[in-house]
Amino acid sequence: QQPVQSPQAVILREGEDAVINCSSSKALYSVHWYRQKHGEAPVFLMILLKGGEQKGHDKISASFNEKKQQSSLYLTASQLSYSGTYFCGTPGGATNKLIFGTGTLLAVQP
Amino acid sequence: KAGVTQTPRYLIKTRGQQVTLSCSPISGHRSVSWYQQTPGQGLQFLFEYFSETQRNKGNFPGRFSGRQFSNSRSEMNVSTLELGDSALYLCASSLGTANEQFFGPGTRLTVL
Repeated sequence: QQPVQSPQAVILREGEDAVINCSSSKALYSVHWYRQKHGEAPVFLMILLKGGEQKGHDKISASFNEKKQQSSLYLTASQLSYSGTYFCGTPGGATNKLIFGTGTLLAVQP
Repeated sequence: KAGVTQTPRYLIKTRGQQVTLSCSPISGHRSVSWYQQTPGQGLQFLFEYFSETQRNKGNFPGRFSGRQFSNSRSEMNVSTLELGDSALYLCASSLGTANEQFFGPGTRLTVL
């Protein structure tokens, strides 16, 4: 089942904060986050693991609520470079298969 | 370290033809995954190869196939192309399992 992300799109001014949510109907053991700029490949941001361990980005934080089967990505003091589409991904088994979410388009304006 | 490379970057084919796309992973990475990206369906997993073995397969018809060579390079093949196969095909390499994946720039396939 594809994770559902909210909001679908958000427009910010530089310096504003945003939260992107990712909800799954299945139990989550880890959540991956990627950002894709227009015309480019997705780029890894972070992995959140069951138990709270987090691997990845220094300037972007995230939370992982196993009970709610939800993860949230927190973008604080947004910069123009944060613009892009954000995807969460959940593992589909003990392989590298990722089931990506519906995506959230973030546009940061000057 | 060189990134993931994909060739060709753009491809135009007609219905019924077949196509082969190539992916060279980051040196030392043994896992290569393929994804199809379309505006309507988003990013969808096609298959993953690890040390020349297919470890996982997505929900795509048998017209989509792939393989991995001993140097970890991977190819995917789509036979009897349909209009709906028009998409950006991305490959991603990873060092192991459950690690970050590094995506290539993709191959934009247009089926006329």
